[in-house]
Amino acid sequence: GAVVSQHPSRVICKSGTSVKIECRSLDFQATTMFWYRQFPKQSLMLMATSNEGSKATYEQGVEKDKFLINHASLTLSTLTVTSAHPEDSSFYICSARPSGSKNIQYFGAGTRLSVL
Amino acid sequence: KQEVTQIPAALSVPEGENLVLNCSFTDSAIYNLQWFRQDPGKGLTSLLLIQSSQREQTSGRLNASLDKSSGRSTLYIAASQPGDSATYLCAVFTNFGNEKLTFGTGTRLTIIP
Repeated sequence: GAVVSQHPSRVICKSGTSVKIECRSLDFQATTMFWYRQFPKQSLMLMATSNEGSKATYEQGVEKDKFLINHASLTLSTLTVTSAHPEDSSFYICSARPSGSKNIQYFGAGTRLSVL
Repeated sequence: KQEVTQIPAALSVPEGENLVLNCSFTDSAIYNLQWFRQDPGKGLTSLLLIQSSQREQTSGRLNASLDKSSGRSTLYIAASQPGDSATYLCAVFTNFGNEKLTFGTGTRLTIIP
């Protein structure tokens, strides 16, 4: 089956530093990847849609300068949380849609970010 | 704007019982509906996907139904086991010009041994 690898699974950082999260599709190409955020005991909220070779599309209320997304290849998208603060602590999950498919996403295992 | 609601938010049942989780959505113009399982601190495991033209899907002890016109789906779990304890999320793919996957609020299920 389709596998999406997300790394790291857990990261703890100091306030003010930047953190990069990687999302890789291991056995398929993904023109489009998605980044979600999940607060404790809440559902997943879409942050942005990452498109290979072009700018990401951000959902309303998500700061594009705060959450930098790069989708430089058909198998890799990165989310960088810049100048992280404690309120950025959350669970971040990526998903990938196989190129040429529609209405299907495969999810990564998530990254737990804790900002001290 | 699509909104997805799951009731109940939490459910505890004794092992061996059959149970039903509910999901409702406000806009019936969906491509498909998917049920996921999420263990604490983990990612998502896809359980069942129902296309908009389908009425139900089955996988082992799980059965998911879809009534698109009324905006409802149910996930039926037969003969529950402690290993079924997890949070169950439903999500719908809606087309508002660009495809989006909207998640429900989740049901936290606990199976009591």
